[in-house]
Amino acid sequence: EQQVQQSPASLVLQEAENAELQCSFSIFTNQVQWFYQRPGGRLVSLLYNPSGTKQSGRLTSTTVIKERRSSLHISSSQITDSGTYLCAMEDDTNAYKVIFGKGTHLHVLP
Amino acid sequence: EAAVTQSPRNKVTVTGGNVTLSCRQTNSHNYMYWYRQDTGHGLRLIHYSYGAGNLQIGDVPDGYKATRTTQEDFFLLLELASPSQTSLYFCASSETNYEQYFGPGTRLTVL
Repeated sequence: EQQVQQSPASLVLQEAENAELQCSFSIFTNQVQWFYQRPGGRLVSLLYNPSGTKQSGRLTSTTVIKERRSSLHISSSQITDSGTYLCAMEDDTNAYKVIFGKGTHLHVLP
Repeated sequence: EAAVTQSPRNKVTVTGGNVTLSCRQTNSHNYMYWYRQDTGHGLRLIHYSYGAGNLQIGDVPDGYKATRTTQEDFFLLLELASPSQTSLYFCASSETNYEQYFGPGTRLTVL
């Protein structure tokens, strides 16, 4: 059973459009974070958002723990936003293990 | 910012070969991790460690050994490599579970 599910699996946008990425999870956790990865590149932490709404530049994350979901909103998308966005969270059986979703592949067109 | 480096960046070996992947972090983090990333599976944890000499088994440990020789260095060993181990391998370090710093990855191909 997949514990962390992300949707959509892929998303194509025109530059300047907004993107909404979703993450839902079956485990009980209070540590939700979002990562970004270029194709074949390293993962870079974007936001750590255990609950509520958190913003960083054009990125806004909203996490509702009791509903076991988190979202990442990207406003005014740019071509350089293309890549994979992964949702991750603490394993509820082991605080130092992190479980990752399979990611949303975002492609921003000019 | 924490620095995590991996070597080699690319490796090609043959079935049955021995491979050692190296990871070094320079921020004295206690926790270090080895992941593999495959299309359709995402990131999967192979082994992790919370200090020199310590080793914890991850979710996909079969065919892999690991050793943490110092606070900074974590090695992943494939003693009899198989084509199913062709993958992109990432090392990460952290002091907390919500702030993992990743290395650039090693692309391993087993022919």
